[in-house]
Parts: sequence; C-alpha cells; structure tokens
Amino acid sequence: GESVGLHLPTLSVQEGDNSIINCAYSNSASDYFIWYKQESGKGPQFIIDIRSNMDKRQGQRVTVLLNKTVKHLSLQIAATQPGDSAVYFCAESLTSGTYKYIFGTGTRLKVLA
Amino acid sequence: DAGVIQSPRHEVTEMGQEVTLRCKPISGHNSLFWYRQTMMRGLELLIYFNNNVPIDDSGMPEDRFSAKMPNASFSTLKIQPSEPRDSAVYFCASSLSEGSELFFGSGTQLSVL
Repeated sequence: GESVGLHLPTLSVQEGDNSIINCAYSNSASDYFIWYKQESGKGPQFIIDIRSNMDKRQGQRVTVLLNKTVKHLSLQIAATQPGDSAVYFCAESLTSGTYKYIFGTGTRLKVLA
Repeated sequence: DAGVIQSPRHEVTEMGQEVTLRCKPISGHNSLFWYRQTMMRGLELLIYFNNNVPIDDSGMPEDRFSAKMPNASFSTLKIQPSEPRDSAVYFCASSLSEGSELFFGSGTQLSVL
C-alpha cells in the first residue's frame, strides 16, 4: 500500500501524547462514517464508526467526533504508541446499510520515540 | 480465519499483457468488493458482488477490466490489455452482509511498464 503514502499530509506526534486526525467529508446527506487505519503493506482496517445522530463515540484509546454543521470528522488517539504509526482515513456513506462508501485520501501519522 | 487472501502480492508486467488478480474472501461472507487505491484518487470501488452475483460494476474503468466470482470462495479481477495508468494497489474486501464491516486483504501492488 505504499503508493498511497508519498504525498499525504503527515502528523508527527511524540509517543505518549494524544493525536488528533481530521477529515472533512463531502456530502451533507451522509449518515454514517468510519475511520480506517492502513499500515504499510496492508489493507485498511476498521477502527471505529459513528452515525449522524451522534456527535461523539468512544472506543479503546480512540474517540471519534462528528460536527455535522461544518461537515467535519476527527479521530482522537490517546497515549499514542509506535504501533499507531499508519495512514488513517475516513469514509462516509449515505446510510449504514449500504455498500457504497466514499473514502478520503488519508493522513499519515508518525509516532516519534 | 486467515482473513481475505489476495494473490499475487506484487505484479510487474508490460503494457498490453493480461493481468489476473485473485481473491479468496473470508468463509461465510456473502459480499465481496474490489477496490483500487492510487495517490490521486484514494480508494475507489470497482465492483461489488453479493452472493456471487455482480450487483454494481459502475466503478469498473472500462471494458479492459472484468471481474468474476464463480463461487463463494473465489473471485478474479482481470485487466486485458493492461496499460501503465492501471498501476495501483488493488484490494479485495469481504463482509458478512451488505453494509456490515469490510475486511480488506493485503492488496496486490500492480505495476504496468
């Protein structure tokens, strides 16, 4: 999967600090959002999702915030670890039951030791 | 379960040659997807199968691309003839049902010279 990485925006974070990765989505009618993590040489992996009737959802060390007013999604990673280094991107769809997702181009997270 | 299995991991070929990418979805999953990932466009859905039947192939770039799913455990994506602009990472993904979590394979990095 290295072809996706060369010109992505990059966020560098010290190990142990919190990370915030942002995503602007395109369709105000989108109803369902997912964050994916893609490590080098691997396929995207589901992290957390949120529906439009919520503005916050928490998982293990991760929190997703949704601001529908400005069509903005963020992923917060607490106590960032070296294993969190990857490309992160969001996906949106019109409904949670559909197969059609629009994927963002991603942000590369680098964790500094 | 071994997850979604794709082969080959890397393919280098010359323009005009036929390329066949292979995918074995997770056993029991009835939805299968082929995606293409590039720097410029991110992840794009090429084709979606449900219960081995192609449901949406609107993302297939042109007639040079074809996909088959002869049974629930195998799918192919063929490009004939291949062109340099087809160079990308091709992912196969499966899900238990339409709208449920996508599980991606590790992808095939295709380079057409």
